[in-house]
Amino acid sequence: GQSLEQPSEVTAVEGAIVQINCTYQTSGFYGLSWYQQHDGGAPTFLSYNGLDGLEETGRFSSFLSRSDSYGYLLLQELQMKDSASYFCAVFNTNAGKSTFGDGTTLTVKP
Amino acid sequence: DAGVTQSPTHLIKTRGQHVTLRCSPISGHKSVSWYQQVLGQGPQFIFQYYEKEERGRGNFPDRFSARQFPNYSSELNVNALLLGDSALYLCASSSTGGGAYGYTFGSGTRLTVV
Repeated sequence: GQSLEQPSEVTAVEGAIVQINCTYQTSGFYGLSWYQQHDGGAPTFLSYNGLDGLEETGRFSSFLSRSDSYGYLLLQELQMKDSASYFCAVFNTNAGKSTFGDGTTLTVKP
Repeated sequence: DAGVTQSPTHLIKTRGQHVTLRCSPISGHKSVSWYQQVLGQGPQFIFQYYEKEERGRGNFPDRFSARQFPNYSSELNVNALLLGDSALYLCASSSTGGGAYGYTFGSGTRLTVV
C-alpha cells in the first residue's frame, strides 16, 4: 500500500521561514507534489519534484530525497495569506494515481 | 482559458437518493480524476479516466461509478446515498493520467446527505 506522513499542525509568525516535512512509503514512486488549500477552497498545485534536489518557485521551495523517501516544502517570508492546509502527494506509476497525505495546517501569526 | 469547472457547487440529498456530479477539465487535458475529501483529511482517490477509459479505481463501494465523455468531460454517480458520503467531491484535471506532474482541481461539489 501507500502511506504519507506529515505533521498535522505548524505555527509560525509573519516573515519567518517554515518547513513542512513529508515522508512516504509507496511502490512505483514517480514524483512528489505539494498543494495548498484554504478553508472552503479546492487544493491548488504548488510544486512537483521528480528528481532529488530543490525546486524553487518564488517564496516556496520543495525538496526531494528519493533514497530517504522524504521531501519538504519550505515557505519563506511568511505572510498571513499563507495560513492554509498543505498536502503532499505521491504519484504511483503502478496504480496510476496520486495519493495525498492528510495535510498540515499552517497558522501564520502576526 | 476556462479552468476546471464542476457543477453543482452545493447539493443536499436525502439518504438513499442518487446524485450525479459533473466536471469539465481544462481544454486539452484528457485525464479526469475524482477525489472525495472529508473535513480534516486529504483527498481520497475514487476514479481516474484517461481518453474515456477507466484507468484506476480507489477503494470505494460499487455505489460509486463514473464515466468520461468524448469531449473529456466526466460524471461521477453515487447511488443509495449514505450519511457518510457527505464530503467535498473534487474533480482533478491533468494532461497525463493520474496527475503525475500535478493536478488542476475544480472548486468542488459540496455534498450533504441528510
